[in-house]
Amino acid sequence: AQSVTQPDIHITVSEGASLELRCNYSYGATPYLFWYVQSPGQGLQLLLKYFSGDTLVQGIKGFEAEFKRSQSSFNLRKPSVHWSDAAEYFCAVGGTGSGYALNFGKGTSLLVTP
Amino acid sequence: GAVVSQHPSRVICKSGTSVKIECRSLDFQATTMFWYRQFPKQSLMLMATSNEGSKATYEQGVEKDKFLINHASLTLSTLTVTSAHPEDSSFYICSARDSRLAGNTGELFFGEGSRLTVL
Repeated sequence: AQSVTQPDIHITVSEGASLELRCNYSYGATPYLFWYVQSPGQGLQLLLKYFSGDTLVQGIKGFEAEFKRSQSSFNLRKPSVHWSDAAEYFCAVGGTGSGYALNFGKGTSLLVTP
Repeated sequence: GAVVSQHPSRVICKSGTSVKIECRSLDFQATTMFWYRQFPKQSLMLMATSNEGSKATYEQGVEKDKFLINHASLTLSTLTVTSAHPEDSSFYICSARDSRLAGNTGELFFGEGSRLTVL
């Protein structure tokens, strides 16, 4: 079964510093990978997604992620974090077809300090 | 992007009553919707796959008689928590995939979530 692991439960970074959130996946074929962000009490917003092609994916809000098959990773990065980036971040893996749900990692809570 | 709307966003009910949560795809049709449950500070757990015009498919460990799912149209799925108890208190999130998207890219669009509190 496809699954993702987010090793870091909490991460604290200073505003303006760079950010990297880790995600490792387990899937036999090329996975469909996603990063979502969730603000407290809110639904999920898609940051970016990877299906195929260029392994460096650009998303919204200045985020990017790189798919590395050799490491089974899909880490999320941002060069300069803003205070408004504080939220919960979820990595997810999914298949194709309307019947395929997404499997989510446990999430990483990002705290941004002044 | 496609919009999924959930209602109500918050609901408080007494133990033993039933609560219905609606999930609507506003600008696309969804033959399949998904219901997730999220406990505080935890990830999203898939509860069931809602199929238009047929029975929902429940994940292992999810009580189908407790969580009734109806997908009566291509734009509406409902989750009814029957005889709710305090342990059913949670954040419920629905999602749907726009099947019109070329290549069926796998992206799910999420509702805003519904916070259920059972007293």
